[in-house]
Amino acid sequence: DVKVTQSSRYLVKRTGEKVFLECVQDMDHENMFWYRQDPGLGLRLIYFSYDVKMKEKGDIPEGYSVSREKKERFSLILESASTNQTSMYLCASSPRTGDVDTQYFGPGTRLTVL
Amino acid sequence: GQNIDQPTEMTATEGAIVQINCTYQTSGFNGLFWYQQHAGEAPTFLSYNVLDGLEEKGRFSSFLSRSKGYSYLLLKELQMKDSASYLCAVIDSNYQLIWGAGTKLIIKP
Repeated sequence: DVKVTQSSRYLVKRTGEKVFLECVQDMDHENMFWYRQDPGLGLRLIYFSYDVKMKEKGDIPEGYSVSREKKERFSLILESASTNQTSMYLCASSPRTGDVDTQYFGPGTRLTVL
Repeated sequence: GQNIDQPTEMTATEGAIVQINCTYQTSGFNGLFWYQQHAGEAPTFLSYNVLDGLEEKGRFSSFLSRSKGYSYLLLKELQMKDSASYLCAVIDSNYQLIWGAGTKLIIKP
């Protein structure tokens, strides 16, 4: 079974703090993704990565950065957290077997910025 | 723009059948996913359709009509554990996933 883990289920931070969200997958997947999920909105892609040290902006990258130093780990960084970044953050991974690959999700981190 | 429409919430009775619709307008089409997401948990894969027609998998079936930009997820013999959100997602011409907001399904005894 594919396992995608995220470092925290719940996180509370203060405005202006630097926040690190970690994601690890154990299935040797090439592709990794960071989404945020807000009520009434679909999953919105923040950043994705198709390989180590490679990153691509998604639909809403502003205020975020990412790091992929190892294949199994994809980190999301909030450089200076703001209240509008309070959200559920979901990490996903998928194998690069073709053009269409099922994404496997982690349990999510519910981040609250005060 | 690209758009995925699903009902926000639906209610059904245990043992019954429910159909959750998804309509889409996207730049190109390379397939459609349905995911299930229980409250506070990760979305999990249910089905993938790329050709027109019905795909059956146990109590769950997914239908696609590309000409109408329409899909539905059919859940039969509903169980309380089926209470969850159901997410529709379309792969566009750039192989990017476009997500709907999800349909919250409430099952009543």
